Amino acid sequence: AQSVAQPEDQVNVAEGNPLTVKCTYSVSGNPYLFWYVQYPNRGLQFLLKYITGDNLVKGSYGFEAEFNKSQTSFHLKKPSALVSDSALYFCAVRDRSAGNMLTFGGGTRLMVKP
Amino acid sequence: GAVVSQHPSRVICKSGTSVKIECRSLDFQATTMFWYRQFPKQSLMLMATSNEGSKATYEQGVEKDKFLINHASLTLSTLTVTSAHPEDSSFYICSAGDRRSGANVLTFGAGSRLTVL
Repeated sequence: AQSVAQPEDQVNVAEGNPLTVKCTYSVSGNPYLFWYVQYPNRGLQFLLKYITGDNLVKGSYGFEAEFNKSQTSFHLKKPSALVSDSALYFCAVRDRSAGNMLTFGGGTRLMVKP
Repeated sequence: GAVVSQHPSRVICKSGTSVKIECRSLDFQATTMFWYRQFPKQSLMLMATSNEGSKATYEQGVEKDKFLINHASLTLSTLTVTSAHPEDSSFYICSAGDRRSGANVLTFGAGSRLTVL
């Protein structure tokens, strides 16, 4: 079974400051890892993914995430937050042997204040 | 890039009626689509995997006679909520994977908000 944990329900950060949204995962095999963002009353938008290779993955809107196998983590980061980054962020994992099925974390609401 | 269209985006219906939600992959073929349900302030719950030309695979606890899924073509899957009740009110999201993107990154529809009165 695969699972994802996002330990923070909400993260508050001031505009211009760096932000981190935490994610840890559990899979039986090697993972594919994803971050998605959801704006109010909207579907999910893909931000970035880790498949293989460089542990630091760069994605849309200046976001990046670092895959840490020993800590089974895939934290989302951005050097300088924008108010427009305020949204709900979901981390997801797929076991490479489990087809296309994604398991999502509970989501973390990011609030960026001016 | 890959686009998934969901329709309707909002629907209000009376208790006891049925509602159909469509999910279309606009510029790619999707042999598999996924239907999720999202409750307020909660994560997405996978309801079922929709397979083109065969029966859907439902997750544990999801009533297949309540949530009918049909995947008649490579670009269309439908979810029908039958005999809707107020507790079925939720945000329903579909997704599909475009094999061209590698690692089957899923593209999500914009979601359909169902309100049952």
